Amino acid sequence: LAKTTQPISMDSYEGQEVNITCSHNNIATNDYITWYQQFPSQGPRFIIQGYKTKVTNEVASLFIPADRKSSTLSLPRVSLSDTAVYYCLVGGQAAGNKLTFGGGTRVLVKP
Amino acid sequence: EAGVAQSPRYKIIEKRQSVAFWCNPISGHATLYWYQQILGQGPKLLIQFQNNGVVDDSQLPKDRFSAERLKGVDSTLKIQPAKLEDSAVYLCASTSPVFSEAFFGQGTRLTVV
Repeated sequence: LAKTTQPISMDSYEGQEVNITCSHNNIATNDYITWYQQFPSQGPRFIIQGYKTKVTNEVASLFIPADRKSSTLSLPRVSLSDTAVYYCLVGGQAAGNKLTFGGGTRVLVKP
Repeated sequence: EAGVAQSPRYKIIEKRQSVAFWCNPISGHATLYWYQQILGQGPKLLIQFQNNGVVDDSQLPKDRFSAERLKGVDSTLKIQPAKLEDSAVYLCASTSPVFSEAFFGQGTRLTVV
């Protein structure tokens, strides 16, 4: 399984854009990149998934360069409620795949 | 659509006692995962079921942890005997037969004293 590396923590201010980069140098050809968000005292929640180029939904955007060795989760105009831990996972898209979490990035949004 | 249900929400036990956690996944979800999350760390996979069969239990401390999913629906995770280092949140998740998006329960916070 591809190992992921992401910053331990990031601080931001309300209204700013937050970009979290995840490195996955050993990503396999059929691997997808998935991001989860976890608030205190809750289980992780799926945010976005992509394979290449750019994916956007109502919550975030995911940018994946051509070599796919890294990816960047972009949170536009963050608010205090975006304070959470964000996890980058790499693995197959099919149901039943192993979901391996790393340490995540703790994002603190300040007023 | 009902989410992943877990119980209890909180549990405090003394070391060497036993404890069991219950999980009911989203209806129709074939894959079920149990994770252990120690404070300040990411979730660590303990065991993964596909229907009622074990797919991966390589990180389950089998001398004290056990899990079952007898009818391929709900699942129980047991610890016997508990140690102080088992204090953590135990998360259950499930995925649909089609897509790998995982849905997590709120978890059970275990404190071993």
